[in-house]
Amino acid sequence: SAVISQKPSRDICQRGTSLTIQCQVDSQVTMMFWYRQQPGQSLTLIATANQGSEATYESGFVIDKFPISRPNLTFSTLTVSNMSPEDSSIYLCSLRLGGAGELFFGEGSRLTVL
Amino acid sequence: QQPVQSPQAVILREGEDAVINCSSSKALYSVHWYRQKHGEAPVFLMILLKGGEQKGHEKISASFNEKKQQSSLYLTASQLSYSGTYFCGTESNSGYALNFGKGTSLLVTP
Repeated sequence: SAVISQKPSRDICQRGTSLTIQCQVDSQVTMMFWYRQQPGQSLTLIATANQGSEATYESGFVIDKFPISRPNLTFSTLTVSNMSPEDSSIYLCSLRLGGAGELFFGEGSRLTVL
Repeated sequence: QQPVQSPQAVILREGEDAVINCSSSKALYSVHWYRQKHGEAPVFLMILLKGGEQKGHEKISASFNEKKQQSSLYLTASQLSYSGTYFCGTESNSGYALNFGKGTSLLVTP
């Protein structure tokens, strides 16, 4: 299994500001995934972060709004830029060990934008 | 492409059974099932690989019909702890991110 430490666990932010979410893993993994879960909704993939290359973004998500860093095999950050109330969501980092098998999730970061 | 889950919501009495369905318009390599309780991250239940297998986890089991691109999750003799939202996650190629359905809200009452 994998232990994923994600922080902050929650935050209240002002419109127009940016917040960086950190995700630390106790195992080396090639791919990490960032999901967004809006209130009462499903999990939507934002991007796939590979170590050593640019993140791959899903339709509807852009790098300027959600820049991602992946400096090594155990760490990644997601920044939510120029936030608006529509960005109020839970953001989850996730990974799969060995490239297959179950998807492990961090505890999530609950952002509220006022 | 997002898989389609049904039903959207289920209310059961303790001890009753339920079936949650998940279907995809794309060929699938695997189907995953997760349960999420309010305020918590999703928890893995099981994975089914193409080949039409069926798996069980205590009183929760699932099947995967590769040809129909469908999976079903079976909850038998439900317990209060089964309450939560169930998501199926699908992948067409191994090792990548999952596409999740909209979820099925399950409430088990005493």
